Amino acid sequence: AQKITQTQPGMFVQEKEAVTLDCTYDTSDPSYGLFWYKQPSSGEMIFLIYQGSYDQQNATEGRYSLNFQKARKSANLVISASQLGDSAMYFCAMRDDASGGSYIPTFGRGTSLIVHP
Amino acid sequence: DGGITQSPKYLFRKEGQNVTLSCEQNLNHDAMYWYRQDPGQGLRLIYYSQIVNDFQKGDIAEGYSVSREKKESFPLTVTSAQKNPTAFYLCASSIRLAGNTGELFFGEGSRLTVL
Repeated sequence: AQKITQTQPGMFVQEKEAVTLDCTYDTSDPSYGLFWYKQPSSGEMIFLIYQGSYDQQNATEGRYSLNFQKARKSANLVISASQLGDSAMYFCAMRDDASGGSYIPTFGRGTSLIVHP
Repeated sequence: DGGITQSPKYLFRKEGQNVTLSCEQNLNHDAMYWYRQDPGQGLRLIYYSQIVNDFQKGDIAEGYSVSREKKESFPLTVTSAQKNPTAFYLCASSIRLAGNTGELFFGEGSRLTVL
């Protein structure tokens, strides 16, 4: 069963508008971490934001915020005031203890975001 | 500047040949990982190592081999046994300290094409 689900293969947004990228996850471990990474066309993966399962508040990093809804097992990325440079693939990932201590992140299939001028 | 260096960036191989992808980090991270990325798919874990001289298979280890003789280095060999090796390969590292988020730091990737 897929542990990380990103249901939006592609998204389009107008420059300066906000956009939400969806991510749902599946784990039975009470302790886990959720990540978002950005992959521009150059290929390198860039870490954006992290949310721990015990964090009380939603994580924020500049224009990025994570809408964490634990009961729904949802960790959506919100990008405010989109810029042309935000056009990229975005991956949601989860790290849990399902492998008995290895704590290795599992990635979703990604969402391609295109920002229009 | 600290970071992860992968080489080569592009590699072409004939069928039946083994190739080795280099991954070096100067971040003093204990853990290192190799992921494979295919179009339309996320990253799939090939091998990982959490300490020198030790490594474990990931989800798609068949046809690949690794070594971890030094903390800084984690080379990946794509053997002729790998049925479909054409892909983008990403190396990553992370800190293994209690309380750390465990975020991955990635190299720029190596694109392997089998002719």
